[in-house]
Amino acid sequence: DVVLTQSPLSLSVTLGQPASISCRPSQSLVYRDGNIYLNWFQQRPGQSPRRLIYEVSKRDSGVPDRFIGGGSGTNYTLKISGLEAEDVGVYYCMQGVHWPPTFGQGTRVDIK
Amino acid sequence: EVQLVESGGALVQPGGSLRLSCAGSGFSFSSYWMSWVRQAPGRGLEWVATIKPDGSEISSVASVEGRFTVSRDNTKKALYLQMNSLRAEDTGIYYCARGGALSTSPWGQGTLVTVSS
Repeated sequence: DVVLTQSPLSLSVTLGQPASISCRPSQSLVYRDGNIYLNWFQQRPGQSPRRLIYEVSKRDSGVPDRFIGGGSGTNYTLKISGLEAEDVGVYYCMQGVHWPPTFGQGTRVDIK
Repeated sequence: EVQLVESGGALVQPGGSLRLSCAGSGFSFSSYWMSWVRQAPGRGLEWVATIKPDGSEISSVASVEGRFTVSRDNTKKALYLQMNSLRAEDTGIYYCARGGALSTSPWGQGTLVTVSS
């Protein structure tokens, strides 16, 4: 199975300050169509996961533009340009290129 | 608005069976791959199974193969997960999600399955 290694596993950030999460896959995530299917999910406390980013950098509808996905090869990142209180939760990267789809371990983000 | 609502979660004894359902609305259900993903208490996310729009192709992860079966009824806009020979390690919240392996969105609110004697 493809292993997605997230770092850090925990992040405490002052409101308004930036945050960055890394996701490193154990294999290439380039699909046969040439696209890279690396997704980011947010899970707020007590809620189900919500997709924020798909195909590395495309934001889902309704996702604030402070969430920025990027990266290539074996290093992908999710950046929050300025943390807001509603951003507290756990963030997961996910790949679906290789079966079975796998998730990173999750990064817990809270307010310092 | 796209909605997915799971049901059927319960407390069941090891070795028992359970059938989960997921009702879809607000989108053309029969046009989408659908998936089940689970989350053990306090743990991360694990893919369970995926089914093609017409039900002709199904993929399951090794840990549930031979025990869990995913199916769908497009006339009812419903997705199902039949779980047999349940084990303690199957305990968790089961989410229904629109989409296949490449990406899924949205997810339902989940239904809790507890396997314990």
